[in-house]
Amino acid sequence: SQQGEEDPQALSIQEGENATMNCSYKTSINNLQWYRQNSGRGLVHLILIRSNEREKHSGRLRVTLDTSKKSSSLLITASRAADTASYFCATGTDNYGQNFVFGPGTRLSVLP
Amino acid sequence: EAGVAQSPRYKIIEKRQSVAFWCNPISGHATLYWYQQILGQGPKLLIQFQNNGVVDDSQLPKDRFSAERLKGVDSTLKIQPAKLEDSAVYLCASRPDRGTGSGYTFGSGTRLTVV
Repeated sequence: SQQGEEDPQALSIQEGENATMNCSYKTSINNLQWYRQNSGRGLVHLILIRSNEREKHSGRLRVTLDTSKKSSSLLITASRAADTASYFCATGTDNYGQNFVFGPGTRLSVLP
Repeated sequence: EAGVAQSPRYKIIEKRQSVAFWCNPISGHATLYWYQQILGQGPKLLIQFQNNGVVDDSQLPKDRFSAERLKGVDSTLKIQPAKLEDSAVYLCASRPDRGTGSGYTFGSGTRLTVV
């Protein structure tokens, strides 16, 4: 299965600290995406990284991809209470119409 | 640009009743997905449409679930008859046709409770 598996399942940190979440997958991928889901809401696309990329940044987000280890990490720097949400990785095997398979997610709690 | 619209926002039904959900994707997005998300889990794909054709419905429980996308725009997902285990959030998402690996845009979902 190409499903990603996030780690840890839950993470609790203080505001201002950095949060790191990991995603491991089993098969070769074309790209990997990270999504955020606030309680009771739909998922919001955060960032996409392609298999030929090693690192991408977007604001306070930093994503790395290690295809040799079949793993990715999402780093949120200087976390805020508003970052409290569930974070999902999704793996895709091509650019065109392929559906993405989501992992079970990491529940992040940022305490004020 | 307007987002993905879904309705209703919430629905409570008794088991063995039927229910329908509606989705209006972003204008021009050819690909539309329905996902089921059970509490505490990641979204699971039910069906994928490309325009008005089905690309993947391998995980759709076809004995009780059906979906259609008329004219390649709006889509409806129906459950008949509902079971207790169908309680979940049903998410609709869309993305452009043959995009450059772009992400999905999700709607806010319909929370279904079967009692």
